[in-house]
Amino acid sequence: QVQLVESGGGVVQPGGSLRLSCAASGFAFSSFGMHWVRQAPGKGLEWVAFIQYEGSKKYFADSVKGRFTISRDNSKNTLYMQMNSLRTEDTAIYFCAKDRDSSSWYAGLDYWGQGTLVTVSS
Amino acid sequence: SYELTQPPSVSVSPGQTATITCSGDKLGYKYACWYQQKAGQSPVLVISQDNRRPSGIPERFSGSNSGNTATLTISATQAMDEADYYCQAWDSNTHWVFGGGTKLTVL
Repeated sequence: QVQLVESGGGVVQPGGSLRLSCAASGFAFSSFGMHWVRQAPGKGLEWVAFIQYEGSKKYFADSVKGRFTISRDNSKNTLYMQMNSLRTEDTAIYFCAKDRDSSSWYAGLDYWGQGTLVTVSS
Repeated sequence: SYELTQPPSVSVSPGQTATITCSGDKLGYKYACWYQQKAGQSPVLVISQDNRRPSGIPERFSGSNSGNTATLTISATQAMDEADYYCQAWDSNTHWVFGGGTKLTVL
């Protein structure tokens, strides 16, 4: 069965950096686009970043553009997100999620991890 | 940037039909998806591409999308359907966009 397991969250000071990982299993990881989506405490979902199946196309929300990068290692079935210049407003649970359709971006995100909590605080 | 607007809350009696709306400019020209998130859990895709139910999603969940509004309909609502529901669409500029979420209360 499909499993997505995030790790790397923690407490970091404003201006600091953190690297999140998402280990995938149970599906052809190298064939699907992958996303990071976050949810601030008590708030709604916010899409953060996307990487295409082979890593050539990457998109970011305006709120993180220039500070966050997304990458993947298809040989290790792992998705990453490097977060730099962190701000207090980046505090959230970060979910990795899989595209439902390997050939379109319209079908939604059909599997989600359990999330990893990032807290930015001094 | 593209925005999707949902009502903050909807209430429904058990066994009745719940309707949750999502509005956005020319949303009917895009595909809408819907997610269910129960307290303390990760989101679950319940409707894909306006009206397609992923495997394992009960038939009482259905969707439609026309004009500026997408709609999630839950027929014969059960207590287990109480959750937050989010619509989502893809826009060429903003890319993946989520609505603010609707808290469905079954009472």
